[in-house]
Order: sequence, then C-alpha cells, then structure tokens
Amino acid sequence: AQSVTQLGSHVSVSEGALVLLRCNYSSSVPPYLFWYVQYPNQGLQLLLKYTTGATLVKGINGFEAEFKKSETSFHLTKPSAHMSDAAEYFCAASGGGADGLTFGKGTHLIIQP
Amino acid sequence: KAGVTQTPRYLIKTRGQQVTLSCSPISGHRSVSWYQQTPGQGLQFLFEYFSETQRNKGNFPGRFSGRQFSNSRSEMNVSTLELGDSALYLCASSLAWEGPYEQYFGPGTRLTVT
Repeated sequence: AQSVTQLGSHVSVSEGALVLLRCNYSSSVPPYLFWYVQYPNQGLQLLLKYTTGATLVKGINGFEAEFKKSETSFHLTKPSAHMSDAAEYFCAASGGGADGLTFGKGTHLIIQP
Repeated sequence: KAGVTQTPRYLIKTRGQQVTLSCSPISGHRSVSWYQQTPGQGLQFLFEYFSETQRNKGNFPGRFSGRQFSNSRSEMNVSTLELGDSALYLCASSLAWEGPYEQYFGPGTRLTVT
C-alpha cells in the first residue's frame, strides 16, 4: 500500500520568496506522482505530474517538482511566490491501476504581503 | 472541452436519509472516481468505475455505493446518512483506469448531514 506524507500542514512565505512544499511517498515501486492545488470552495486542479523519464517536472503557474527516488521525495517549488498562490496543495500518488489516488494531508500555503 | 460537472453543488440532509450525487465526466473520459474530503481524514478514495464496472473500492462501509452509465456519467449513493458523512464529495474523470493518466476533478458536492 502506498502512503504520502506532506511535511508541514501550513507554510507561510513572503510574496516574491521561494516556495517549497515537501512531499515524501512510501512505495515498493516508484508510483506516478502528482501535485494538485485547491482553492476555497473549488475542486482540485492538477499542477504537474511525474510518470517516467525526466525527474524535473514543470507545471502550470511557474511550479515545478523534482522526483528523487533515493529520497522517495517529490517536493514542489516555485522561485517567486505570488499572492494568488495562496491555496491548499496536495501531493498524490498512484500505482497506475484502479486503486485511485492516495493523497497527502495537504499543505496550506500562506503568502505574506 | 467542458470540465467535470457535479450536481448538486450543495445538499443538506437529515440523519437516516439517503442521498444521490451525480457526476458528468469530461467528454471522452471513461473512468470516473469518487473521493470524500473531510477536515479530519483528508481526501479518501471511495471507488472507481470504468465502462460501467466498479474496478476498485476504498475502505468505506456498504452504505456507500455507486454506478456508472453507458455514457460514462456516474452517480454515488449514500444510504442511512450519518453525521460523519458530512463532507465534500469530489468526482474525478480520466481517460482510462490504467496507466499514468491524470484525474480531472469537478467542483464537488458539499453534503451537510444534520
């Protein structure tokens, strides 16, 4: 069974600062990995995904994530935070079958002006 | 392309009642998954349907059921509602149930059980 751990339920950064949201997965086989963002009263929007190949994945809105198999990590970064980035971020893993996505608990990103 | 749509968006029910939620996937998507989101448990997988067949089910009691129609639209039903069923129910669609296909989520149905 897979598990996904997101370190830090809340992360606060200043506008213009680096955003780093941490995600570690636990799986005997490297899964497919995803980052989703959720704005208040909305569903989840896909930011980026890792399947195979290049370990640095670029997504929408300037976000990117790096898959590190040796560290079982898939941290999300953005060089410069914007006020509109304030939201809940979820890391998720899938084995590629009909087992659905396994989500982390989420990280609430707060952007300070 | 239109996104995933869910109806209704908000619902208030009384304990003991039953409820049916509806989901229309993105055109061409044949896989539909359902998730429950609560502050305490986070996002949890309920079940997944592909070609009208339930492929997998999460760890939820039998009160939670679903089905998929030939046009890929899906419904989920919760019988004998309990207060703990209050949650945001999210539907997601995908091209297929196998492989690295991302899931696209609808806006959710907010269910409140009183």
